[in-house]
Amino acid sequence: ELKVEQNPLFLSMQEGKNYTIYCNYSTTSDRLYWYRQDPGKSLESLFVLLSNGAVKQEGRLMASLDTKARLSTLHITAAVHDLSATYFCAVDNYGGSQGNLIFGKGTKLSVKP
Amino acid sequence: DAGVIQSPRHEVTEMGQEVTLRCKPISGHDYLFWYRQTMMRGLELLIYFNNNVPIDDSGMPEDRFSAKMPNASFSTLKIQPSEPRDSAVYFCASSLAPVYDTIYEQYFGPGTRLTVT
Repeated sequence: ELKVEQNPLFLSMQEGKNYTIYCNYSTTSDRLYWYRQDPGKSLESLFVLLSNGAVKQEGRLMASLDTKARLSTLHITAAVHDLSATYFCAVDNYGGSQGNLIFGKGTKLSVKP
Repeated sequence: DAGVIQSPRHEVTEMGQEVTLRCKPISGHDYLFWYRQTMMRGLELLIYFNNNVPIDDSGMPEDRFSAKMPNASFSTLKIQPSEPRDSAVYFCASSLAPVYDTIYEQYFGPGTRLTVT
């Protein structure tokens, strides 16, 4: 059974600081997705990582994928309040039915002035 | 494209009543997913369809829940009878079919916030 674990689950940071969210998964996969959810809103796709070593950046967020370590990271640079949200990673469930993504529990990020 | 459309956006009902949630996926998407999100359990996959056929319904909590997809542009999730513990946000998502090197991220609808009193 594919498992996806995120840590930390809660993260409180000050504006201007850097931090990293980790996403570990339990089986072979070379596709990983990051989503953002604002309070009371839907999930918005942030990044799609399709191969080992993939790195993508958008503004203050940078995501990377290491398929050998079964690890993806979401790095936050010089955090600002607008980044406060819950971030989910998701992995293809290749071991099961195709088309199914397995989501982590999410990391709730709070950026304070 | 308008994205995934869900209705209603909010539903308040009394215990024992039937509730029907509706979803229109993005045109051309082959897969449709129903999720439930609560504070306690997070985001749970309930069921998903490929080309209108249910593929995996192992996440459906019990027989009170049923889902249908009569055509490529419409799906329903029905709860009968509803109970207070069904209170949650229900999301519908859709995606393209998984083909090698194809990005098939799921696109989520706005959700239906269900409250059962």
